[in-house]
Amino acid sequence: DVKVTQSSRYLVKRTGEKVFLECVQDMDHENMFWYRQDPGLGLRLIYFSYDVKMKEKGDIPEGYSVSREKKERFSLILESASTNQTSMYLCASSSGSYYGYTFGSGTRLTVV
Amino acid sequence: QQQVKQSPQSLIVQKGGISIINCAYENTAFDYFPWYQQFPGKGPALLIAIRPDVSEKKEGRFTISFNKSAKQFSLHIMDSQPGDSATYFCAAGVGTYKYIFGTGTRLKVLA
Repeated sequence: DVKVTQSSRYLVKRTGEKVFLECVQDMDHENMFWYRQDPGLGLRLIYFSYDVKMKEKGDIPEGYSVSREKKERFSLILESASTNQTSMYLCASSSGSYYGYTFGSGTRLTVV
Repeated sequence: QQQVKQSPQSLIVQKGGISIINCAYENTAFDYFPWYQQFPGKGPALLIAIRPDVSEKKEGRFTISFNKSAKQFSLHIMDSQPGDSATYFCAAGVGTYKYIFGTGTRLKVLA
């Protein structure tokens, strides 16, 4: 089974801190994604990547950046954390069209 | 045009009943419609998916019905069980890997 591993289940950070969320997949998938999940808003795409060193903005990229230096690893960076970035962050990967995503278990980030 | 509207927001069903969750979309270019199931503390998991060349797809107790002309699709859970209690998300994509998700339906099946 494809496994998508997010490095932390829970994180508490202070306003203004630089925050790194790490995601690793073990099935050689080309595509990786970062979503945030908020009650009543569903899953919203922050950034995605279809190849190493390639990235594209999703629907809500403001305040975030990403890094993909290796195929299996996709990092989400909060440049200067703010309280409105308190959320559940989900990483996903896929092998391409019509195959669906495999999600990690999520990182619940609280910014205080 | 990029939205996927999902209803209801929450649903309570008796054990053995039928759970129905509906989604509507605007973008006629969408050609892949997956449903995801999410249990508390877990990431969403792919449950079942359909492409618009068929009107229905069934896997066990789960069925997707697809109405291309109405731009609607729905998930039916037959013989609902307490273990089906979860949050369900519909999604839509344009044959690529980037999906638009609905806002989710929290299903509770009473024992």
